[in-house]
Amino acid sequence: EPEVTQTPSHQVTQMGQEVILRCVPISNHLYFYWYRQILGQKVEFLVSFYNNEISEKSEIFDDQFSVERPDGSNFTLKIRSTKLEDSAMYFCASSEASGVRETQYFGPGTRLLVL
Amino acid sequence: GESVGLHLPTLSVQEGDNSIINCAYSNSASDYFIWYKQESGKGPQFIIDIRSNMDKRQGQRVTVLLNKTVKHLSLQIAATQPGDSAVYFCAENFPGRGDMRFGAGTRLTVKP
Repeated sequence: EPEVTQTPSHQVTQMGQEVILRCVPISNHLYFYWYRQILGQKVEFLVSFYNNEISEKSEIFDDQFSVERPDGSNFTLKIRSTKLEDSAMYFCASSEASGVRETQYFGPGTRLLVL
Repeated sequence: GESVGLHLPTLSVQEGDNSIINCAYSNSASDYFIWYKQESGKGPQFIIDIRSNMDKRQGQRVTVLLNKTVKHLSLQIAATQPGDSAVYFCAENFPGRGDMRFGAGTRLTVKP
């Protein structure tokens, strides 16, 4: 069964450093998303991406964040200058092309720890 | 503000019993709902969805009920098994937005 994959599974970084989280969405999906989950809290939406541009973003997704689809398979989230409060699980999700209310399938997540 | 919320943060059941997890939503425009299961250290896993033109949908051992009158969503798990132990989230989507808005989650513990 096709699934969303993410790398790395864990990332430890120093405050102020840049990190890039990588995702490979399900191959026939065209809508991509990033969510985050701070430990013990609910899953929060960051950004959605379609047709090589951001569709929507939340207030969390400030200028320190950016997303990119560098090739036909990868979808990345970059945090330019990490802060302690960026420590969280980051989930990538994807859905089929037929509309925004299609089921979103989530990857296993990347656990980011900022020291 | 409008948000998705859950009635109970924890639920403990005996193996073999039926489980009911509840969710309240306050956005009357929401027209699509998903229940996700999240096991420790893993991403949310799709369980079942329902659109607002339905009031009940059944899957394998799971049933989702939607009561639009009181803006209430529930997930019923039949014959709960130890493998069902996880945090369950309801999530909503409403017209004009592409993201899913998640509730706080209910931790289900199944006792053998």
